[in-house]
Amino acid sequence: GAGVSQSPSNKVTEKGKDVELRCDPISGHTALYWYRQSLGQGLEFLIYFQGNSAPDKSGLPSDRFSAERTGGSVSTLTIQRTQQEDSAVYLCASSLTASGGGNTDTQYFGPGTRLTVL
Amino acid sequence: AQTVTQSQPEMSVQEAETVTLSCTYDTSENNYYLFWYKQPPSRQMILVIRQEAYKQQNATENRFSVNFQKAAKSFSLKISDSQLGDTAMYFCALRNTGNQFYFGTGTSLTVIP
Repeated sequence: GAGVSQSPSNKVTEKGKDVELRCDPISGHTALYWYRQSLGQGLEFLIYFQGNSAPDKSGLPSDRFSAERTGGSVSTLTIQRTQQEDSAVYLCASSLTASGGGNTDTQYFGPGTRLTVL
Repeated sequence: AQTVTQSQPEMSVQEAETVTLSCTYDTSENNYYLFWYKQPPSRQMILVIRQEAYKQQNATENRFSVNFQKAAKSFSLKISDSQLGDTAMYFCALRNTGNQFYFGTGTSLTVIP
């Protein structure tokens, strides 16, 4: 497909379990972003990758959250020992570059993964 | 620290009319980028318009335009000739020099036929 894809689209898990969320960016996009959107809230920036590197991980809410990107393409966001407050929609976006002119930094968003922690 | 504030949780406009969505922000940086994103009920977020802070000229994209007031740290979005397809959540966002994004809490816009 031509757009950003995310899987699964919905995930229901029990408190204390680990979950892994996947993002497939647009081919050729070097920058990849993860956000969290809680009900009725704006987007909370979690982390971004330039290539396989994450220059700043300070947006991750706790040490239960981690993310990696391999081959400059697919990224996974892992949440360990999930808590009920982790319930949210997790959005992924990609852009041609992280910064630059000519709209190369325009982010294209995926449809999100709705995570529900029971 | 950067913050983005959208003080209008909900707005409505008659079809074909004009509506302005407000956004204010706070940053100590001089070079940054501002964005308006649209999130329709389908949930997929799409970019509406972007503005580089170093450019004084207000950005325009067809029926969408911004009023960027750098000194006042204000970045409002004007939608002209509103259409039913404009019904969505609209988010204002700021990107700092560290490529971190800060989003407002959104404005839910309803276009009334």
